[in-house]
Amino acid sequence: DAKTTQPPSMDCAEGRAANLPCNHSTISGNEYVYWYRQIHSQGPQYIIHGLKNNETNEMASLIITEDRKSSTLILPHATLRDTAVYYCIVRVNTNAGKSTFGDGTTLTVKP
Amino acid sequence: GAGVSQSPSNKVTEKGKDVELRCDPISGHTALYWYRQSLGQGLEFLIYFQGNSAPDKSGLPSDRFSAERTGGSVSTLTIQRTQQEDSAVYLCASSISGTGVGYTFGSGTRLTVV
Repeated sequence: DAKTTQPPSMDCAEGRAANLPCNHSTISGNEYVYWYRQIHSQGPQYIIHGLKNNETNEMASLIITEDRKSSTLILPHATLRDTAVYYCIVRVNTNAGKSTFGDGTTLTVKP
Repeated sequence: GAGVSQSPSNKVTEKGKDVELRCDPISGHTALYWYRQSLGQGLEFLIYFQGNSAPDKSGLPSDRFSAERTGGSVSTLTIQRTQQEDSAVYLCASSISGTGVGYTFGSGTRLTVV
C-alpha cells in the first residue's frame, strides 16, 4: 500500500470547516483513499473513501486532486465532538490484506 | 450483532501468564483484522483473516502470539508468556469482502501486564 503523509496536528474553531490534508504521491491506479478517525479511548471509525471523484456523506466530504497525489477531508461544521485523530490510508479496494495506519492528524476543535 | 464485539474490555495479567482475547465480528463479514495500539502510538497491524484462513500473519511480533478463527466468525488472539511490552489496546476489525466500505472496529481490549 502507498504511504501517506499528514500533518501531526491541527486546530479548528467550533462551527468552522476543518480541512485535513493528506499527501499520497505514490498512490497506484487501483488504490483508494480511506479516512478514519479515532476519538480518545475508542476504536477507529470509518468516515469516507474514494478513488478519484469527490465524495460526500453525512459525516464529511473528500476532495481528491486530479492527479490523485493528495486529498483533503472536510468536516463542514466542526463540533467539539470532532476532536480526534484522523487517519488517511490508501489501499486496494478489496479484502486483499491489511491497511497500514500512519500517525494521523490530531484535530482539536476549540470553542 | 450490530457491531464488532471484543472481550474482555480490560484484562490485567501477571507477567508470564497466557491470555486469550476474543473478537466477535459483524455477522456476514468475511474479513477480520487484529491490530494493537500502545499508549500514545498508532495502530500496528498483527494479522488478517479471510474466512478461517490467515493469509497475512506478518505483523505478529513473536511466536508467543497466535490467532485463530473458527466458523468464519469468532476469532481468538492468544498471547503466551506475556511480557510487560505486550501491554496495549488490542483492536479487532471486520469488513465485508469486496465492498470497500471500510473496516468496523470494536472498542478493543486493554491489556495490562504487571
